[in-house]
Amino acid sequence: GENVGLHLPTLSVQEGDNSIINCAYSNSASDYFIWYKQESGKGPQFIIDIRSNMDKRQGQRVTVLLNKTVKHLSLQIAATQPGDSAVYFCAESPRRNDMRFGAGTRLTVKP
Amino acid sequence: DGGITQSPKYLFRKEGQNVTLSCEQNLNHDAMYWYRQDPGQGLRLIYYSQIVNDFQKGDIAEGYSVSREKKESFPLTVTSAQKNPTAFYLCASSFDWNEQFFGPGTRLTVL
Repeated sequence: GENVGLHLPTLSVQEGDNSIINCAYSNSASDYFIWYKQESGKGPQFIIDIRSNMDKRQGQRVTVLLNKTVKHLSLQIAATQPGDSAVYFCAESPRRNDMRFGAGTRLTVKP
Repeated sequence: DGGITQSPKYLFRKEGQNVTLSCEQNLNHDAMYWYRQDPGQGLRLIYYSQIVNDFQKGDIAEGYSVSREKKESFPLTVTSAQKNPTAFYLCASSFDWNEQFFGPGTRLTVL
């Protein structure tokens, strides 16, 4: 089947810098996309979502960009903080109750 | 507080035993899900339920069983037929075609 994937398994950034985490998806029918943050030993937490009729959505310190032409999703975190260190997953949903998750990117923030 | 809870946090099972993982939500969500997470991999769907007394197999349902007798509860049984049950199990719920809210997870280890 089609799965969501990630370009980079690990990302290390300096505290205060901006982070960009990328995600490639393969199902062109996907209509809904989510970014989750998962800290060690915990369940994933919702960060931000975007529907296919948008190409950009902003939250607090986070921005998600969607490029449907190349089936690419990215998460930008502004002024990265040590508390942002975690694994970040993207997920795509081609239909109701069907959500496909990538393997995740581990973000490490250096003080 | 509204949320989704899982118990126990850690569970140990002897080979040949069945064990049941609990998942409860008070978010009034119709849909509930069970995922399995292995190190370095994305979440894989075991079972999901869109409504009480109804559930559907996910990608890796073999060796697992579920029930949905109440809207709030969606327990997962890991049977002795599951050959490699050691993993982190995550329960989630959602309202219609929207973000899934995750519980804190149960880590199951086979002794």
